[in-house]
Amino acid sequence: GDQVEQSPSALSLHEGTDSALRCNFTTTMRSVQWFRQNSRGSLISLFYLASGTKENGRLKSAFDSKERRYSTLHIRDAQLEDSGTYFCAAEAAGYQNFYFGKGTSLTVIP
Amino acid sequence: EAGVTQSPRYAVLQEGQAVSFWCDPISGHDTLYWYQQPRDQGPQLLVYFRDEAVIDNSQLPSDRFSAVRPKGTNSTLKIQSAKQGDTATYLCASHRVGNTLYFGEGSRLIVV
Repeated sequence: GDQVEQSPSALSLHEGTDSALRCNFTTTMRSVQWFRQNSRGSLISLFYLASGTKENGRLKSAFDSKERRYSTLHIRDAQLEDSGTYFCAAEAAGYQNFYFGKGTSLTVIP
Repeated sequence: EAGVTQSPRYAVLQEGQAVSFWCDPISGHDTLYWYQQPRDQGPQLLVYFRDEAVIDNSQLPSDRFSAVRPKGTNSTLKIQSAKQGDTATYLCASHRVGNTLYFGEGSRLIVV
C-alpha cells in the first residue's frame, strides 16, 4: 500500500492568498523532503527536514517531531511562479528508500 | 558543484527495442536511485544502490529491466524489449546519508 498520502491532489489559489499542503505517513519516517516539479519535469528540492521547521521566503515546511508521521508545506502570498506540482518524499526510519506522494497540482490564478 | 547528469534526455522506441539510460551522480554521493515517473503520477522507485551494491531492486521488472553501478559512481539502467507501458520519465537521484536528495533532469522514454 501507499506509504505516503498527499493532499489535496489539486489546488487553485488566487495570487496573494495562503494555503497548506500536507503529507501523512503510514509509519514513522526518518526525514521528509519537499519538491516542486516544473513544466520541464525537473524536480527542484524545496526543503529537507529531519525534524522541526524550515522557512525560505514565502515557503515554510514542518515535520512532526513527535510521532514523525506527517509534514506540511505552507505557501504564503502565492505568486504565479509557484504554479507546478509539489511532491513530498519521506525516508523510512532505518532505510534510505524515499517514498513519494502522488503530488499536489497547484495553479495560481491572477 | 555539478548536479546529477542524465542521458539521453529523450528516447523514442518501437516495442521490442532496447534502450540504456546513463546517470552520473554528484561526486561523493554514495547512494544512487532510479525512479520511474509515468505521466501525471509521482516517482516510483525502481532500484537503489549504496556504492556499488544493490540495496533494493524489488520493484524492478527483472525480466526486462536491469541496473548496474559497477564502480560505485556512474550507473546504467537498461530496458530490453520495451513495451508501451514503459513509457515514462526515468529519473536518477543521489545523496549522502542524512542529506538532501538531488535529481537529474530525467530521461523521457516513449514506446510506440
